[in-house]
Amino acid sequence: DQQVKQNSPSLSVQEGRISILNCDYTNSMFDYFLWYKKYPAEGPTFLISISSIKDKNEDGRFTVFLNKSAKHLSLHIVPSQPGDSAVYFCAATSSPYGGSQGNLIFGKGTKLSVKP
Amino acid sequence: DVKVTQSSRYLVKRTGEKVFLECVQDMDHENMFWYRQDPGLGLRLIYFSYDVKMKEKGDIPEGYSVSREKKERFSLILESASTNQTSMYLCASSLGANSNQPQHFGDGTRLSIL
Repeated sequence: DQQVKQNSPSLSVQEGRISILNCDYTNSMFDYFLWYKKYPAEGPTFLISISSIKDKNEDGRFTVFLNKSAKHLSLHIVPSQPGDSAVYFCAATSSPYGGSQGNLIFGKGTKLSVKP
Repeated sequence: DVKVTQSSRYLVKRTGEKVFLECVQDMDHENMFWYRQDPGLGLRLIYFSYDVKMKEKGDIPEGYSVSREKKERFSLILESASTNQTSMYLCASSLGANSNQPQHFGDGTRLSIL
C-alpha cells in the first residue's frame, strides 16, 4: 500500500506561470516532509522541507504547503523557469530527527516540464 | 558542499555474479543509505547504516547485503545477481541524530544484469 502518493505523473507549465505539484499521504505518523528534484542522470537534490508543526515553508521561488487534516502537501514554484524541468519527488518520514535518518518514504515522482 | 560519490555510473554484470557497488561521502556523515529507483515505483530503501559496522534493513533488503567498515564508505552487495535487480541504485548520506538535515544523494549507478 502506497503511503506517499503523487497522483500526477507529469505536469506541463508555461514559463513564468505557477507550477503546483501535489502529494498525498496516508500515514498519520508522518511528521516531516521533503521535496527532492531530480534531473536525468543525476541523483535527487534536496529542495525544501516542512515539519508537521508548520503549514507553510518558503524558500525563494519555492513554497511548500501542508494540510495535515487532509494529509496533503503541495509544492508551489513561482515563477516557473525552464531550468525547473525535472522529476520532483515528495518524501515523508516519522523519524524523530526529520529527514536526516530513519526511513524516508518516497512518492513515485512528478515530471515537470516548463515550456519557454 | 556535500559530495557523495558512487564508483560507477554504469555497470553490466551477468546473472549469478557477486556485484559490489561502492559509495563514499566526504562530509563525515554518520548515516548512509542505499536506494533503488525503478520506473513507476519511485525510490525504495534497501539498507541503511547509522554508524560504522551497523546496518539496518530497509523496505526491500532481499537479495542484498551491505558493508560499512569505515565511516565514509558504504558498500552494497548483490550476493548472486538476478535480472530483477537491474535498476538505478542511489546512495545517500546525512548527518547523525539531532541534526534534522536532509539526505544528500550521489548521481547513481545504472546496473544491468544480463
